[in-house]
Amino acid sequence: DADVTQTPRNRITKTGKRIMLECSQTKGHDRMYWYRQDPGLGLRLIYYSFDVKDINKGEISDGYSVSRQAQAKFSLSLESAIPNQTALYFCATSDLGTAKPSGRQFFGPGTRLTVL
Amino acid sequence: KQEVTQIPAALSVPEGENLVLNCSFTDSAIYNLQWFRQDPGKGLTSLLLIQSSQREQTSGRLNASLDKSSGRSTLYIAASQPGDSATYLCAVHGSGNTGKLIFGQGTTLQVKP
Repeated sequence: DADVTQTPRNRITKTGKRIMLECSQTKGHDRMYWYRQDPGLGLRLIYYSFDVKDINKGEISDGYSVSRQAQAKFSLSLESAIPNQTALYFCATSDLGTAKPSGRQFFGPGTRLTVL
Repeated sequence: KQEVTQIPAALSVPEGENLVLNCSFTDSAIYNLQWFRQDPGKGLTSLLLIQSSQREQTSGRLNASLDKSSGRSTLYIAASQPGDSATYLCAVHGSGNTGKLIFGQGTTLQVKP
């Protein structure tokens, strides 16, 4: 089984709808991240979390919110989706903060979101 | 603000060639630098991670180097194969240990048989 999973893998929605993207991990890492990727651009950080009670805004947090339900689960919500939020969304974990950190990040397979 | 640039944006080579992908960054105060591979429509696979105190890392036919003072990293792929065709992303982790990565735009590599 994959260490970092994301659901759904694909989603098409309409402008104004509320959307939640979910991420689960079995790596036992405290630190989790949400990125978005747009064509021709690299990934940009939306939100990150060091643990259940520690959530931080990233580079492009406007229009998004997150919830860290447990160490293993980190959800990204679009309260009122708009077309320019059409993108590929990735969840990741990091082993920083563990007993033997390498600083490596581990990515999920991504969710392709289209907002019409 | 850290900025990461990858050159070239796209590269096409015949099978068997050795090639170099370039990554530059503007702030030399980094924690580490990672190279990822991304296949079309897929997630990211970590290839190599270089800590700020290291100069290079090797894995099979891949070798990544880091020169912090000049703000540069290179990914060297030896004896390229069609299966190497993918987008390669460079990501810099700034100082501190937040885990926040700043990505370059990527280099899309095509290796022709």
